Amino acid sequence: NAGVTQTPKFQVLKTGQSMTLQCAQDMNHEYMSWYRQDPGMGLRLIHYSVGAGITDQGEVPNGYNVSRSTTEDFPLRLLSAAPSQTSVYFCASSYRWDEKLFFGSGTQLSVL
Amino acid sequence: QQQVKQSPQSLIVQKGGISIINCAYENTAFDYFPWYQQFPGKGPALLIAIRPDVSEKKEGRFTISFNKSAKQFSLHIMDSQPGDSATYFCAASMLGGAQKLVFGQGTRLTINP
Repeated sequence: NAGVTQTPKFQVLKTGQSMTLQCAQDMNHEYMSWYRQDPGMGLRLIHYSVGAGITDQGEVPNGYNVSRSTTEDFPLRLLSAAPSQTSVYFCASSYRWDEKLFFGSGTQLSVL
Repeated sequence: QQQVKQSPQSLIVQKGGISIINCAYENTAFDYFPWYQQFPGKGPALLIAIRPDVSEKKEGRFTISFNKSAKQFSLHIMDSQPGDSATYFCAASMLGGAQKLVFGQGTRLTINP
């Protein structure tokens, strides 16, 4: 049981490049979400999904896209990377909307 | 705006002492208040959580105290150990929705041996 798996662990991008952060969970969780963690800011919700085919915006969605074609996967796409998107990104999932979140180990992204 | 304010930013406690971290919130619609623990290079992990129908919840050495009228809640770590050294985040969400958490800024706790 791997839990929540994020890839890559580290990534460096140039301004304007696009990329996809991968997130997969093997716990049959319906709910998945993406957070970014910045110093002094805590974690902020980017996008979330309550099931396959259903996604919604969180607190800081601009510059990011998501899709949920399967229960297991919830990729986060950066359309045109900007230095302000330098952050640590965490994917999380839970079985039900009112149960605890399980977090992945994070992706550290630097945009130059 | 920061909907959940956490203090202090950093805290140093001697082994065996009590660590106390405080959080305050503005939105009275919040009804789920968890605390997460994060070690370097790892994702946050749920430590303990409380709902506003109780004023205190204890799990082992960890206790959440909740004051609904003051819109404040705090984490107490009794008999603090070096292994408790980590960053702690309080959070809150509405309608019991664990998926849409609003986090505090975090507290870096160091327990000196």
